[in-house]
Amino acid sequence: DTAVSQTPKYLVTQMGNDKSIKCEQNLGHDTMYWYKQDSKKFLKIMFSYNNKELIINETVPNRFSPKSPDKAHLNLHINSLELGDSAVYFCASSQESGFQETQYFGPGTRLLVL
Amino acid sequence: GQSLEQPSEVTAVEGAIVQINCTYQTSGFYGLSWYQQHDGGAPTFLSYNALDGLEETGRFSSFLSRSDSYGYLLLQELQMKDSASYFCAVTSGNTPLVFGKGTRLSVIA
Repeated sequence: DTAVSQTPKYLVTQMGNDKSIKCEQNLGHDTMYWYKQDSKKFLKIMFSYNNKELIINETVPNRFSPKSPDKAHLNLHINSLELGDSAVYFCASSQESGFQETQYFGPGTRLLVL
Repeated sequence: GQSLEQPSEVTAVEGAIVQINCTYQTSGFYGLSWYQQHDGGAPTFLSYNALDGLEETGRFSSFLSRSDSYGYLLLQELQMKDSASYFCAVTSGNTPLVFGKGTRLSVIA
């Protein structure tokens, strides 16, 4: 069984489009995250949710909107996609909201904006 | 804010030992983690140090010196499959993980 899964794995789209990435974890964890990894492999947190509540919202354009329907799911919706949004987006989860907890990452979604 | 420094690239020979250093600046330091990421893959957790000293897990060990704001990951008996990027990351209180820029390790025959 996959612990943290994301769909789609690859996403190629045109500038200006709106797209969503879905994430699900079956680990029973309370906290989920979205990270962006750029072409230089710099990994930066975007959002964190604990039990469906937003607890971290780093400096991210408001075109990015996370949604957590339940604590096992954290989806990322991106409006008006721009070239600079091209990156790999990783979902992750951890047991509790104490950030010293080990994080388990999904396989990533490779987004290419043309 | 928080910042971490680690070498961008390291090359080592199969069977050898390699050490990847990480220095950090942060307030309210809680712990230092290490993650491994193969090309095209996801980061996977390797180790976590909250206290000074060496933690050993198989061929991998991680060290922390809180007074020096310094840690390292030690990989022994290097194998070709160890070629990957290695990230140190700090946790400070209830702030999320802040990752270093990663060290690309190339293991050569």
